[in-house]
Amino acid sequence: SQQGEEDPQALSIQEGENATMNCSYKTSINNLQWYRQNSGRGLVHLILIRSNEREKHSGRLRVTLDTSKKSSSLLITASRAADTASYFCATDGDSGNTPLVFGKGTRLSVIA
Amino acid sequence: DTAVSQTPKYLVTQMGNDKSIKCEQNLGHDTMYWYKQDSKKFLKIMFSYNNKELIINETVPNRFSPKSPDKAHLNLHINSLELGDSAVYFCASSQDYGGGRGQYFGPGTRLTVT
Repeated sequence: SQQGEEDPQALSIQEGENATMNCSYKTSINNLQWYRQNSGRGLVHLILIRSNEREKHSGRLRVTLDTSKKSSSLLITASRAADTASYFCATDGDSGNTPLVFGKGTRLSVIA
Repeated sequence: DTAVSQTPKYLVTQMGNDKSIKCEQNLGHDTMYWYKQDSKKFLKIMFSYNNKELIINETVPNRFSPKSPDKAHLNLHINSLELGDSAVYFCASSQDYGGGRGQYFGPGTRLTVT
């Protein structure tokens, strides 16, 4: 069954603005990951946050995790046209050896 | 240099045919996966496989079967293709079983069944 649900489904911003995408999930997790998919390409792993972490940074990316609300957010600061892509969250179960379950993604368009 | 490669990139075929998609990873990973991405971009796991265990998503029709000649390859065979099989199929690999430390994806194979 689908685990992650991204919100919003689509987001359009101007270059230089910040973009925030949210992800909600249903069951307990070991970690939550964010991936980017450019049009016609495979997914690229961006960042992983463990269930005992609350915030993590990587370059212009900032991820937060609230396990009490079963939600995560991905913030992209100072967006660029090259950030235009779909962004997916993925979660794994806390029982180990469970495959990742992906949400439907947020389609981000950054307008130059 | 490509970490995870798939062939072909595009595959157009008729209903009822049998086809295969090949996947190779040069990362030395122990686990490989096949995903199906539908027209609404929903990514669904089909198989997880390492040298010890194959886990099949129970919703996947048995017309789909993974074949692994060695640790670096996981091919996808599809028998009696149906219109609903049209989608983009992604191969992925990870160091750990389950991908809890991140998965590496291939570029995808767009399958069109006519």
